[in-house]
Amino acid sequence: QVQVVQSGAEVKKPGASVKVACKASGYTFSDYYIHWVRQAPGQGLEWMGRISAKSGGTDHAQRFQDRVTMTRDTSISTAYLELRSLRSDDTAVYYCARGHISGASFFDYWGQGTPVTVSS
Amino acid sequence: DVQMTQSPSSLSASVGDRVTITCRASQGINNGLAWYQQKPGKVPKLLISAVSTLQSGVPSRFRGSGSGTDFTLTITSLQPEDVATYYCQKYDSAPLFGPGTKVHI
Repeated sequence: QVQVVQSGAEVKKPGASVKVACKASGYTFSDYYIHWVRQAPGQGLEWMGRISAKSGGTDHAQRFQDRVTMTRDTSISTAYLELRSLRSDDTAVYYCARGHISGASFFDYWGQGTPVTVSS
Repeated sequence: DVQMTQSPSSLSASVGDRVTITCRASQGINNGLAWYQQKPGKVPKLLISAVSTLQSGVPSRFRGSGSGTDFTLTITSLQPEDVATYYCQKYDSAPLFGPGTKVHI
């Protein structure tokens, strides 16, 4: 069965970086995109970007263009999100989610979420 | 940039009621529209893709419809377990979620 498991909660100071891991299993990792979506406390869902697990090619939402790096390691079926220059308004739950097999950017399996708190 | 709106932002209904949530895009999105359910403290769950395609395991009381810029999620008979926030999401190009509709009983 498909499983998507993320790394644990993080607490960071403003200006620091965070790297969140997303390990997939139960399917052929390289056949799908992995997307990153975040949710600030009490707020809605915000798409951050995606990575092709096959090629490593990425697309980002424009507002994160300069601060986000998405990578993957196909040998361990794991994708990573790095967010730099953290600010207090980056405090959120960060989700990874699998895109549809067709390549369409809707999300059928989600990780459990990684809470990231940015506080001095 | 395309904007996504949802109405209402919240609603309260009784068990067995028919509930309708509307999602509107500021321009056409080629029917690239999905709906998600997020229960309190839980991960979002995909309910519907391509406007009206129900995902496997999702109860048939959930129905999606619409075209162009106007879309609807209908719960034909509201159940207690349907208490959640519902999000629409366009995916014709860069994904974008609507602001959500909170459903109470």
